[in-house]
Amino acid sequence: GAGVSQSPSNKVTEKGKDVELRCDPISGHTALYWYRQSLGQGLEFLIYFQGNSAPDKSGLPSDRFSAERTGGSVSTLTIQRTQQEDSAVYLCASSLVGQGGNQPQHFGDGTRLSIL
Amino acid sequence: GDSVTQMEGPVTLSEEAFLTINCTYTATGYPSLFWYVQYPGEGLQLLLKATKADDKGSNKGFEATYRKETTSFHLEKGSVQVSDSAVYFCALSDFSGGYNKLIFGAGTRLAVHP
Repeated sequence: GAGVSQSPSNKVTEKGKDVELRCDPISGHTALYWYRQSLGQGLEFLIYFQGNSAPDKSGLPSDRFSAERTGGSVSTLTIQRTQQEDSAVYLCASSLVGQGGNQPQHFGDGTRLSIL
Repeated sequence: GDSVTQMEGPVTLSEEAFLTINCTYTATGYPSLFWYVQYPGEGLQLLLKATKADDKGSNKGFEATYRKETTSFHLEKGSVQVSDSAVYFCALSDFSGGYNKLIFGAGTRLAVHP
């Protein structure tokens, strides 16, 4: 079946521009996560959605970063006034919600963001 | 806070060699443990998991045992292939907040040569 889909796969933009990254989770997955993979920091959690709500935004690195989810499905991660340190691969994952951490997360292929 | 430490790479092996990638964790609760793999040019894929102490996760010839007494989840494979060349990430998921935020190790790059 269809997996997690992210777009664009690559994005190159100039410093100071805004960017939007999109994630289409697996149908029926109510939990959605964004992570960032960068050379210096490894894989870091950014934000968690349960349905359309984001009870954990603790990983967003600054107020330039925001995310929303609509219809319990598609999510958009927005970075305003991009900086060079925002260059990274942004990964989205989705999962069913289960007890005790038994539900594995399924990852998209990521969006590689490069800030010039 | 919770954390995962895994051995630094790169690990370079010849085909059919035995593989061990060490992973230890720190957690206040009883996390689930995972190994994810990232093949060149691809996204993260779940390789195996274990949800409680003494569980053994296995897949594609890889296995790892959840050792609570040593807080470890070492990845092993008896005979690696060139196609196993990838980056391997150990991760834990602490369900204390009612959701599965993954905390990853730094990743270990494995290169297998013919």
